[in-house]
Amino acid sequence: KNEVEQSPQNLTAQEGEFITINCSYSVGISALHWLQQHPGGGIVSLFMLSSGKKKHGRLIATINIQEKHSSLHITASHPRDSAVYICAVSGSARQLTFGSGTQLTVLP
Amino acid sequence: DAGVIQSPRHEVTEMGQEVTLRCKPISGHNSLFWYRQTMMRGLELLIYFNNNVPIDDSGMPEDRFSAKMPNASFSTLKIQPSEPRDSAVYFCASSLAGGPDEQFFGPGTRLTVL
Repeated sequence: KNEVEQSPQNLTAQEGEFITINCSYSVGISALHWLQQHPGGGIVSLFMLSSGKKKHGRLIATINIQEKHSSLHITASHPRDSAVYICAVSGSARQLTFGSGTQLTVLP
Repeated sequence: DAGVIQSPRHEVTEMGQEVTLRCKPISGHNSLFWYRQTMMRGLELLIYFNNNVPIDDSGMPEDRFSAKMPNASFSTLKIQPSEPRDSAVYFCASSLAGGPDEQFFGPGTRLTVL
């Protein structure tokens, strides 16, 4: 069993829809990271959180430490949100352990 | 700041050749990470340095892979000899030390070994 599990693997939505991507982990962590990888391949850090909720524009990330679960929400989705979203965790060691990613496609 | 810089961006080589990938971390960052991304295995850590010292190299696949960080502004990942199964995108990332920190990724080097 992978230490970090994401769902769904693939997600197609219509522009304007509310999107949720889920991440579950099985190890103790110091922080959970949400990353975005665009078709060009570059990886950008969206959020790093260890408790509660963070919001940046149309993106919201939440984490429940007791349930070892995090969600990434996108409100009013747009085709430019199309990308791979990757959940990763860091523990006492500082390197990241990654989920397999969620391929999001937002259709106009 | 220019962000994390990696070179080359693309490398095509033949099996058996030596390959050297380069990374310049963000100025002031003292942790550097090398990751590899493949379709089969996704993203995985190869090695990471803290203050130029290798801390965890358990992800380095085998002796063909080696990494160095001679100073705070430069790191190399070398594969010798290269094999077709080494074909992947190699990312370098850097962060400030002192606990869990946001990591800043370079653009990656796409390596193809024929």
